[in-house]
Amino acid sequence: AQSVTQLGSHVSVSEGALVLLRCNYSSSVPPYLFWYVQYPNQGLQLLLKYTSAATLVKGINGFEAEFKKSETSFHLTKPSAHMSDAAEYFCAVNRDFNKFYFGSGTKLNVKP
Amino acid sequence: DTGVSQNPRHKITKRGQNVTFRCDPISEHNRLYWYRQTLGQGPEFLTYFQNEAQLEKSRLLSDRFSAERPKGSFSTLEIQRTEQGDSAMYLCASSAPGGGMNTEAFFGQGTRLTVV
Repeated sequence: AQSVTQLGSHVSVSEGALVLLRCNYSSSVPPYLFWYVQYPNQGLQLLLKYTSAATLVKGINGFEAEFKKSETSFHLTKPSAHMSDAAEYFCAVNRDFNKFYFGSGTKLNVKP
Repeated sequence: DTGVSQNPRHKITKRGQNVTFRCDPISEHNRLYWYRQTLGQGPEFLTYFQNEAQLEKSRLLSDRFSAERPKGSFSTLEIQRTEQGDSAMYLCASSAPGGGMNTEAFFGQGTRLTVV
């Protein structure tokens, strides 16, 4: 079974619109959850991580994610999309001690 | 820049040849990971080192793959007798010691392998 599932392999929004990228995690894994971003031909950069200190996590570049245990979700949002946000976004969970499992990714396209 | 460094960035090789990639982690990080990423997929775990000890290997890591981390510093990933199915981006990551399960991994820019 997948540890994390990302709904929607491609999401397209207009510049200035809300960005919502979905991630659901398996209830069988501890919720050590992360969002990473990958620009073309680059490695992965951490956007934010869930630390259990707060259910709403703020990250870099104006992104945030809300941990909802009842829905086993950790969706990523940004109030207003910029052209520079166009990239691929990966949700990941750390399980089995330091083995990161990644979702299949969501490519975000931002239209002018 | 003191991030994770990977070399080479790109490698084109003929089927059947051996290739070796190098990863230099962030200097104080004792944990090092190798991942493979194919087009349209998320990174898949290959192997994990804590210091010089290789603690886990994925079933994805066939006998043709070997990874080392001598002295707990840089790491190498070697693929012998490459096959076209080995074409992928190979990512290295490292993380700091002492952290819990919410310690993030820092990724290098990857080595893109093309087997022709």
